[in-house]
Amino acid sequence: NAGVTQTPKFQVLKTGQSMTLQCAQDMNHNSMYWYRQDPGMGLRLIYYSASEGTTDKGEVPNGYNVSRLNKREFSLRLESAAPSQTSVYFCASSEFRTASYEQYFGPGTRLTVT
Amino acid sequence: QKEVEQNSGPLSVPEGAIASLNCTYSDRVSQSFFWYRQYSGKSPELIMSIYSNGDKEDGRFTAQLNKASQYVSLLIRDSQPSDSATYLCAVNTGFQKLVFGTGTRLLVSP
Repeated sequence: NAGVTQTPKFQVLKTGQSMTLQCAQDMNHNSMYWYRQDPGMGLRLIYYSASEGTTDKGEVPNGYNVSRLNKREFSLRLESAAPSQTSVYFCASSEFRTASYEQYFGPGTRLTVT
Repeated sequence: QKEVEQNSGPLSVPEGAIASLNCTYSDRVSQSFFWYRQYSGKSPELIMSIYSNGDKEDGRFTAQLNKASQYVSLLIRDSQPSDSATYLCAVNTGFQKLVFGTGTRLLVSP
């Protein structure tokens, strides 16, 4: 049981290049999330998917697109990377426990845009 | 005003002491609260969740919630150097979404 996995672990892009960050979970969770983490800013929600076939914007969606390919996989795409998108990206999935949804995180992708 | 506020620290405690980490939140309707531990260069790891007023204990960790004061805290008893990390407070704002504080860095010295 690998939990939440993300690829790649590290990536360097030039401004204007595109790329897709991949995320998969094997815990049969319905909900999945993409966050970015920047120094002093904490974790900020980019997009989330409450179930297969649905996606919704979070706090900072501009410059990103997502695809919920199936129940296991949720990808994040940068169409035209900008230096402001240099960050650590975390994928998470969640399940309902007791009274709320607990989120579990993948190992992260460190992205640098030059 | 930020939705979830934490002192950035660092909070320095000697080994064996009690570390007390605090968090305040602004949304009165929040019902679920979480503490995550994040080691440098790693991903957040869920360590505690609390939903009702009062204390919840799990091993060396105790989460405390006071909804009237909009305050949640995490106590770590018998602190160890391996507890040195950043602790993130997260609050459920509805429909499965969490809002995170910026974290408190804890340093436990041998």
